[in-house]
This record gives sequence, C-alpha cells and structure tokens, in this order.
Amino acid sequence: EVHLVESGGGLVQPGGSLRLSCAASGFTFRSYAMTWVRQAPGKGLEWVSAISDSGGSTYYADSVKGRFTISRDNSKNTMYLQMNSLRAEDTAVYYCANRATQNWYFDLWGRGMLVIVSS
Amino acid sequence: DIQMTQSPSSLSASVGDRVTITCRASQGISNYLAWYQQKPGKVPKLLISAASTLQSGVPSRFSGSGSGTDFTLTISSLQPEDVATYYCQKYKGAPFTFGPGTKVDIK
Repeated sequence: EVHLVESGGGLVQPGGSLRLSCAASGFTFRSYAMTWVRQAPGKGLEWVSAISDSGGSTYYADSVKGRFTISRDNSKNTMYLQMNSLRAEDTAVYYCANRATQNWYFDLWGRGMLVIVSS
Repeated sequence: DIQMTQSPSSLSASVGDRVTITCRASQGISNYLAWYQQKPGKVPKLLISAASTLQSGVPSRFSGSGSGTDFTLTISSLQPEDVATYYCQKYKGAPFTFGPGTKVDIK
C-alpha cells in the first residue's frame, strides 16, 4: 500500500527553524516529483514548494522563497522541507503529496503535520 | 502570477440538487486545472484533472468542464457525503496555485 508520512513538526518560536520530513513507501519514490502544501487553521490550501523526481528542479511560493528549502534523498525515500526565519503566518498543517503524472496535480497525500510558530 | 478565484465561497443545497462551482483564472491556463475535495478533518482528495477527467473511483455525479480562464465543477445530484470544501488548482507552470475554496453543505 502506498503511503506518505510527515514528521518533524511542532512548536517553534518566531525566527526559529524546523525541518519537516516526508517518508514514502509502497511506490518508486525516485520516479515521482513531490510537493508541500500547507493549510493554516480554518483556512484554505496553499501550495508551498515542489521538487522534481531527481531533485534537480525546485519551485517555491513567493511567501516562502528565500526562507524555505525543499530537498529529497531518493536513497532514503524521503523528502524534506527546511524552514528558516519562521513567522506566525507559517503556522499551518503541512502536507506532502506526490505528482501522479507529468503534470503538477497531486493524487497521493500524507496525513499532514502541524507546525505552530509562536512565542 | 496567475490568480485563482472561486464562486460562491459557500453554498447550501438540498439532497438531490444540482450544484455548480465556478473557478476562474486571471490568465488563460488551457485545461491545466484540477479539482479537489476536502471533507472536514480529512486530507484533500483529487477529483478531476485536465479540467474534466474524472479520477478513478470518483462518483459519476461529479463532472468538470471549461478551458482557458473559466471552469466549473458540477455535482449532478448532491449527496450527504458530498459535504466538503472544494478547491480548484492550476498547474500550468509554477506557482501551482489553489483557489480559495467553496464550502458545500446540506440545507
């Protein structure tokens, strides 16, 4: 069975850093581009960042550009999101998801990981 | 960047009603549009890709149409299990922006 499982969330102070991980199983991880999508409490979905299957291409929303870094380790079937200079507005559930085809829509989602930025 | 809007932001309809949700892109995106359903407390689920291609396992009462800047998601006969928020997402190049969502509930 295919699975994506996020980890690494929690409470962090404004200006702090956190690294999220997304562990994949049940499919050939190295063949799939991946993405992070977040959802602030009571709000809608916001696309955050994406990475190609090889890791050679990365993409970011303007809201996180320069502060967040997406990466992956295909030998470990894991994707990461390094989040620096965190702000209160980064508080959200962070979902990882995979790109099903050659197009950037997402058909397999993790259960999400809550990140709270607060003093 | 291309902006995505949805209307209405929420709606209430009776079981069996036909429901239509509109998504609009600020520039043409051909048919590079997906629709997702997110039930309360659950993970988003992909319903439709390429504006009108129903994903495997999605009930046939769901359908999508449109191209360019204007798109619609239609539920032909609303069921209680369709209570959810529906999001469109454009994927013709980054950023892969989601619409603000349309909350659907039962009257």
